[in-house]
Amino acid sequence: EAQVTQNPRYLITVTGKKLTVTCSQNMNHEYMSWYRQDPGLGLRQIYYSMNVEVTDKGDVPEGYKVSRKEKRNFPLILESPSPNQTSLYFCASSFQGGDEQYFGPGTRLTVT
Amino acid sequence: AQSVTQLGSHVSVSEGALVLLRCNYSSSVPPYLFWYVQYPNQGLQLLLKYTTGATLVKGINGFEAEFKKSETSFHLTKPSAHMSDAAEYFCAVSRAGANSKLTFGKGITLSVRP
Repeated sequence: EAQVTQNPRYLITVTGKKLTVTCSQNMNHEYMSWYRQDPGLGLRQIYYSMNVEVTDKGDVPEGYKVSRKEKRNFPLILESPSPNQTSLYFCASSFQGGDEQYFGPGTRLTVT
Repeated sequence: AQSVTQLGSHVSVSEGALVLLRCNYSSSVPPYLFWYVQYPNQGLQLLLKYTTGATLVKGINGFEAEFKKSETSFHLTKPSAHMSDAAEYFCAVSRAGANSKLTFGKGITLSVRP
């Protein structure tokens, strides 16, 4: 089954404790992206990757890091989480950036 | 630059009534347009998309949308609402090319009254 998986689905952590949210796709997609969803703001892109070892900032990259060492995986790293990073995070993938994107189920992060 | 405007944050309709969710876009090149649906506690699912060709696009669950270039609009409609249509709906715009990206509107929550 074609899918995008994210782990964990729910995470509660404390300010400053490094965390990683994993994302994996099995569709051989070139393009992968991370979004955060906040009430009233829709989805905002954090980082994206057009291929292995090619990543770039989206609209709200501050406080986040990513890497793309393998085509299928695109982890999101919060080196020092802060409460303003409490949000719902989605990973997505597609063949190209402008194509329809396939979304993971989301990771709800709470930073206290 | 590209952008999407979804006016209003909430629409409420009665079961069996027409659903109309509005989307206007801004793009300097021919756009690709999408509608996604998000059910509670789930990820986003593609409802329908327009890239080229026929301007009336049919999607899943009885939804359709019409691309109107002159009005820069891509409104989503469904003739008869079901309770199961209650969800959040996002319009998005992009363009052809590997360097392009999806830009989302802020979303509209659809409620369906019995």
